[in-house]
Amino acid sequence: QVQLQESGPGLVKPSETLSLTCTVSGYSISSGYYWGWIRQPPGKGLEWIGSIYHSGTTYYNPSLKSRVSISIDTSKNQFSLKLTSVTAADTAVYYCARPSTGLDPWGQGTLVTVSS
Amino acid sequence: EIVLTQSPATLSLSPGERATLSCWASQSVSTSLAWYQQKPGQAPRLLIYDASKRGTGIPARFSGSGSGTDFTLTISSLEPEDFAVYYCQQRTNWPRITFGPGTKVDVK
Repeated sequence: QVQLQESGPGLVKPSETLSLTCTVSGYSISSGYYWGWIRQPPGKGLEWIGSIYHSGTTYYNPSLKSRVSISIDTSKNQFSLKLTSVTAADTAVYYCARPSTGLDPWGQGTLVTVSS
Repeated sequence: EIVLTQSPATLSLSPGERATLSCWASQSVSTSLAWYQQKPGQAPRLLIYDASKRGTGIPARFSGSGSGTDFTLTISSLEPEDFAVYYCQQRTNWPRITFGPGTKVDVK
């Protein structure tokens, strides 16, 4: 059974960089599939941030592309998200998930608050 | 960019009733559409993929239909655990994806 778990700081200061890691268990990410990040501001809908292929090829939401970087570490079976120059508008629950015919499975999500 | 619209924003129904949720795409997505259920404090759960195929372990009361630009999620008889927010999502420009704004199904 494939499981995903997000980890990282729950509080980030404005203008700094948000960094999160997703640890995958039950499947070797080097074997295939895309892996992705999605976020959800409090009380709002879902926004796709970007996806990375097991080879390292990345795809980003055009609205975030200038600030986003997703990387993969197959030795640790993890992939990571960096979002630079954050503002209060980046406060959200951040989810990692495996995009295929649908997004499945998902991590439980982690709330990141941007505040000084 | 393909924009998804969902209707209604809120659907108020009683347990046992039939729920019909709609999702429209600004241009054709063929059958590359999925539906998710999200309960408060939980991650979304995949219900339907490729417009009409049920995800693993999804009860038969959930069904999806449509192609092109018009899609429907039907819950044949609402159970108490079905009151939640439902999102559609398209993947025509794979692996780029977009979500609809969601429909909340609440208790009448």
